[in-house]
Amino acid sequence: GNSVTQMEGPVTLSEEAFLTINCTYTATGYPSLFWYVQYPGEGLQLLLKATKADDKGSNKGFEATYRKETTSFHLEKGSVQVSDSAVYFCALSGNTGFQKLVFGTGTRLLVSP
Amino acid sequence: DADVTQTPRNRITKTGKRIMLECSQTKGHDRMYWYRQDPGLGLRLIYYSFDVKDINKGEISDGYSVSRQAQAKFSLSLESAIPNQTALYFCATSDLRGQTTGELFFGEGSRLTVL
Repeated sequence: GNSVTQMEGPVTLSEEAFLTINCTYTATGYPSLFWYVQYPGEGLQLLLKATKADDKGSNKGFEATYRKETTSFHLEKGSVQVSDSAVYFCALSGNTGFQKLVFGTGTRLLVSP
Repeated sequence: DADVTQTPRNRITKTGKRIMLECSQTKGHDRMYWYRQDPGLGLRLIYYSFDVKDINKGEISDGYSVSRQAQAKFSLSLESAIPNQTALYFCATSDLRGQTTGELFFGEGSRLTVL
């Protein structure tokens, strides 16, 4: 079945550092890929998405590229801020019929001033 | 006001008690979901509903039941709570496009502790 594997956290960075959170997936066919973010005390919200190979999703300075050859969708940001401290979830969804979102376990990011 | 509202936000209860978590939404979406979040396990789907007359089990429905009272309301019940149901529960909604866009809209969560 479909699955998502994320790097374990927490990831601890200083402000303005470069961020990478690794995500790899296993899926049949051609899934859509997503990053969701959960700020403290809040529900999850969609950060970015990519629906086909080589697509790049981007939002709020974050980027992720759908790499079919390596089955990866790593999240990157060039310069993190304290306000980026949150838990980040990689997820995938199949593209045929209703396919529930499959979430990774989440990676906590802590950014210090 | 939040588009997806969950009540209660926090609840402590005892083993064997019946608990209901409620979710209401003002987004006008047809599709509603209940997820459970556990540390190290991410989010897992409990139940989902495409409309008032359509209820489907997710991957971990045992021990839970749901009711879709109206398009805007979707309740999750634990008939006899047990400690391993201690978790953070999220309600989410999507419209038809969400099937392929993957965009769900989440409530703020209901933290349930079963002693």
